[in-house]
Amino acid sequence: DAKTTQPPSMDCAEGRAANLPCNHSTISGNEYVYWYRQIHSQGPQYIIHGLKNNETNEMASLIITEDRKSSTLILPHATLRDTAVYYCIVKGSNYKLTFGKGTLLTVNP
Amino acid sequence: ETGVTQTPRHLVMGMTNKKSLKCEQHLGHNAMYWYKQSAKKPLELMFVYSLEERVENNSVPSRFSPECPNSSHLFLHLHTLQPEDSALYLCASSLVAGGLYNEQFFGPGTRLTVL
Repeated sequence: DAKTTQPPSMDCAEGRAANLPCNHSTISGNEYVYWYRQIHSQGPQYIIHGLKNNETNEMASLIITEDRKSSTLILPHATLRDTAVYYCIVKGSNYKLTFGKGTLLTVNP
Repeated sequence: ETGVTQTPRHLVMGMTNKKSLKCEQHLGHNAMYWYKQSAKKPLELMFVYSLEERVENNSVPSRFSPECPNSSHLFLHLHTLQPEDSALYLCASSLVAGGLYNEQFFGPGTRLTVL
């Protein structure tokens, strides 16, 4: 599976959009981009995934560039409860989710 | 109860003890996973079961022994652990073990401390 690069930390004001970037320049054609988050000392929570097209669900939006080498997770109206470590993972057809260090998003009041 | 549950949530054990961690999923999934998360380290995959058969044993020491009696239950039996085994142990499940579209659902974890 391709490696990903994320900034170690980001801050966001409550009520504003949080845009979390991820680089995955070695992604191959059949690999999906997955996003999970982990609130302190809890299990990771699935957020969203995508292949080529932009995706949206009740939690977030995922924007994937046309060349698929990078993506952005958007939390449209961040709340204090969105403070967590966010993991961008590129996954192929095997079962392995390879977690990196992720981005610690801190939402400030 | 919904989702993935784990018991106990916290466990303190001595190095000579034998204990077991339990995971149960209520999602009708066929694959289950054990992960280990040590302080300041990424999650590490330990074991994978698909339809109750182990498909991955990620170079885990034999003092960790998994058991999957059916597709809804997963155990991690612990014996003669070391202090460095102290970590958050997470269970996850997914509909199937492979495939491109296959999100994993995680339990809350068991915080293990080995004295």
